[in-house]
Amino acid sequence: EPEVTQTPSHQVTQMGQEVILRCVPISNHLYFYWYRQILGQKVEFLVSFYNNEISEKSEIFDDQFSVERPDGSNFTLKIRSTKLEDSAMYFCASSDQAGLNTEAFFGQGTRLTVV
Amino acid sequence: AQKITQTQPGMFVQEKEAVTLDCTYDTSDPSYGLFWYKQPSSGEMIFLIYQGSYDQQNATEGRYSLNFQKARKSANLVISASQLGDSAMYFCAMREGWTGANNLFFGTGTRLTVIP
Repeated sequence: EPEVTQTPSHQVTQMGQEVILRCVPISNHLYFYWYRQILGQKVEFLVSFYNNEISEKSEIFDDQFSVERPDGSNFTLKIRSTKLEDSAMYFCASSDQAGLNTEAFFGQGTRLTVV
Repeated sequence: AQKITQTQPGMFVQEKEAVTLDCTYDTSDPSYGLFWYKQPSSGEMIFLIYQGSYDQQNATEGRYSLNFQKARKSANLVISASQLGDSAMYFCAMREGWTGANNLFFGTGTRLTVIP
């Protein structure tokens, strides 16, 4: 069964460093998303991406964040200068269409720890 | 105001019994979709069931059913015949239609523990 894959599963980084979280969405999907989940809290939307551009972003997604689809398969989230409060589980998701009933398929997440 | 509210941080159920996980939502959009996701200890988010705001019948998927009460803005998940593998976090989520936005709003989750 096709799945969304994320690497690495766990990343530890020093405050102020740049990190890139990688995702390979399901191959025929066109819509891509990043969500994050701070430990013990709810899952929060960060950004959605379609047709090589951001279609929507939340207030969390400030200038420190960027997304890119560098080739036909990868979808990356970059955090330029990490802060302690960026520590969270980051989920990538993809869907084949945009619609009210469209299921988003989630990856297993990358746990980012900023020290 | 929170778009999705899950008031049960933790629930326990005996194996083979049914359990209801509560979810209420807040939206002024007449078009919306409600989702339930399961998050086992391994961390991935697994889609369980969907209910559309215009759906006339409650959604069912195997042992999962959704008790959709539109007037009360509730979308409770019912798991019948609980199994040990059902122990996990369960998240209710909503997508609104009016903006054409595709993002999901999640609740804080309910941790379900199935007791043998």
